[in-house]
Amino acid sequence: AQSVTQLDSQVPVFEEAPVELRCNYSSSVSVYLFWYVQYPNQGLQLLLKYLSGSTLVKGINGFEAEFNKSQTSFHLRKPSVHISDTAEYFCAVSDRAAGNKLTFGGGTRVLVKP
Amino acid sequence: DTEVTQTPKHLVMGMTNKKSLKCEQHMGHRAMYWYKQKAKKPPELMFVYSYEKLSINESVPSRFSPECPNSSLLNLHLHALQPEDSALYLCASSQDIGSGYEQYFGPGTRLTVT
Repeated sequence: AQSVTQLDSQVPVFEEAPVELRCNYSSSVSVYLFWYVQYPNQGLQLLLKYLSGSTLVKGINGFEAEFNKSQTSFHLRKPSVHISDTAEYFCAVSDRAAGNKLTFGGGTRVLVKP
Repeated sequence: DTEVTQTPKHLVMGMTNKKSLKCEQHMGHRAMYWYKQKAKKPPELMFVYSYEKLSINESVPSRFSPECPNSSLLNLHLHALQPEDSALYLCASSQDIGSGYEQYFGPGTRLTVT
């Protein structure tokens, strides 16, 4: 069975500062990893995904994430945040045994302050 | 067009009512999903359709009844709901049901059961 842990439920950050959102997963087989963002009163939007290949993945809106197999982590980073990055961020995993069933972490709320 | 649309945006229903949620995509995707999301929680998978056939039912109560009339449409029929069923209902689609395919989410229907 797979599981995802997002270590921070809330991350306050000042505008133009960097941010890192932590995600750890457990799975018995090879995994695919995703980061989704949910703005208030909206659905989820894919930021980036890791399927295979380079462990550094670049996504939309200046976000990037690094897949670390030995530490079973997939942390999300942005070097300089904007007010508009205030949102809920979900890390998710699917593995080959689960088809396209996504298991989500609990979410991290990012609050960008001016 | 990478859009998943959902109607209605908001729905208030009594416990004896029958209502339906509708989801539509025109991306040619062959897998469609229903998720339930409670406030400040990650989405929980309810149902998965693959090639218009029900593929996964996550032990959802029978008061929720999914239907996939064609490859572009997904409905969720609601009957005799409970107040605890109040939530944001998200629809998603992906190209196929295999692992690693990105799921595209709609904006959701916010359901309140009175």
